[in-house]
Amino acid sequence: DAKTTQPNSMESNEEEPVHLPCNHSTISGTDYIHWYRQLPSQGPEYVIHGLTSNVNNRMASLAIAEDRKSSTLILHRATLRDAAVYYCILYTSGTYKYIFGTGTRLKVLA
Amino acid sequence: DTEVTQTPKHLVMGMTNKKSLKCEQHMGHRAMYWYKQKAKKPPELMFVYSYEKLSINESVPSRFSPECPNSSLLNLHLHALQPEDSALYLCASSQALAGPTGELFFGEGSRLTVL
Repeated sequence: DAKTTQPNSMESNEEEPVHLPCNHSTISGTDYIHWYRQLPSQGPEYVIHGLTSNVNNRMASLAIAEDRKSSTLILHRATLRDAAVYYCILYTSGTYKYIFGTGTRLKVLA
Repeated sequence: DTEVTQTPKHLVMGMTNKKSLKCEQHMGHRAMYWYKQKAKKPPELMFVYSYEKLSINESVPSRFSPECPNSSLLNLHLHALQPEDSALYLCASSQALAGPTGELFFGEGSRLTVL
């Protein structure tokens, strides 16, 4: 299974943009990049996913490098409620497995 | 209804006990998953069911026995567990296994303590 590497922790000030990086140098052509986050005392929740092109939704944006060996989750204006562990996941078609990386713990400062 | 409901929220059991964790969803999803999460670690995949059939077993010890009686319900039967099995057990569901663009919906988990 392809692996992801993320920084253990990051801090951001409230209402500022946050860029959460993820390295996936062993990604294959059919691997999708998914992001989930886990708020304290909750199960993970879906944030966004993409394959090659950059993606936007109401929660975040996903920027994927041209060689697909890295990606960045962008929260445009961090709020205190965005404090969570953010997981970058590679999903390989046909395996039916979502394998979580180690995650980045995001702290948002008021 | 976009909820995955897990019961019980907390469970304490001895190493000789038999207990079960229950997971329910009413979103019409046909794939269901069990994950195990130790403190400050990412969730680890245990089992995947698709259309009520076991599709994936990630080499989980036989003291964990999954069951999918119908498309809405997923159980995890526990027997002769060890203290190192203490963890948060997360259930998830998705519309189907078919595509990589699907979204997993997670419950809040059942926190298990094995004495």
